[in-house]
Amino acid sequence: GEDVEQSLFLSVREGDSSVINCTYTDSSSTYLYWYKQEPGAGLQLLTYIFSNMDMKQDQRLTVLLNKKDKHLSLRIADTQTGDSAIYFCAETPNRDDKIIFGKGTRLHILP
Amino acid sequence: EPEVTQTPSHQVTQMGQEVILRCVPISNHLYFYWYRQILGQKVEFLVSFYNNEISEKSEIFDDQFSVERPDGSNFTLKIRSTKLEDSAMYFCASSELGQNTEAFFGQGTRLTVV
Repeated sequence: GEDVEQSLFLSVREGDSSVINCTYTDSSSTYLYWYKQEPGAGLQLLTYIFSNMDMKQDQRLTVLLNKKDKHLSLRIADTQTGDSAIYFCAETPNRDDKIIFGKGTRLHILP
Repeated sequence: EPEVTQTPSHQVTQMGQEVILRCVPISNHLYFYWYRQILGQKVEFLVSFYNNEISEKSEIFDDQFSVERPDGSNFTLKIRSTKLEDSAMYFCASSELGQNTEAFFGQGTRLTVV
């Protein structure tokens, strides 16, 4: 069945780049997403990429998609304390309208 | 900025009781969803709703669950007879398009069944 896997924790020093990785199983995924969840808040869509793209950049965020390996990554440049949150990788299977989420990666910023 | 709002933010209920979780989707959105996240686990799809009917539901969404859009603005999730394992964060979402290209999520309702 469809599955999305990501590591649970990542610690990064303030000012460094953060790279959060994700793998998925459904080769027919159409859209791949990164959501951010801050404490006590809902899921905020950060960015998404279509499956026919390799890369998408939006200010400090860079999304890389390796469709052959079914690997998605989110790079946050110049990580700030405000980036501290849980980051969810997610995908939409081609035929459905539901989103399949990973467990989320908790990003911890070191001073 | 328009947002999806959910009430209450936290609900505690006794096992066997009925609960209704409420959501106000973004006003021009046509597709509505409920997801849940049990503590430490993945966010799981429950149900999608379009044109006043369920368009898809997961295995989790059994007969004890129901959804309704009672008045054109609210979107509710009812759990008829809560179990301990229903304790989770429940997220409502809405989107203009059915492919979830821009699904906006609420802040969630934390349901605790005791």
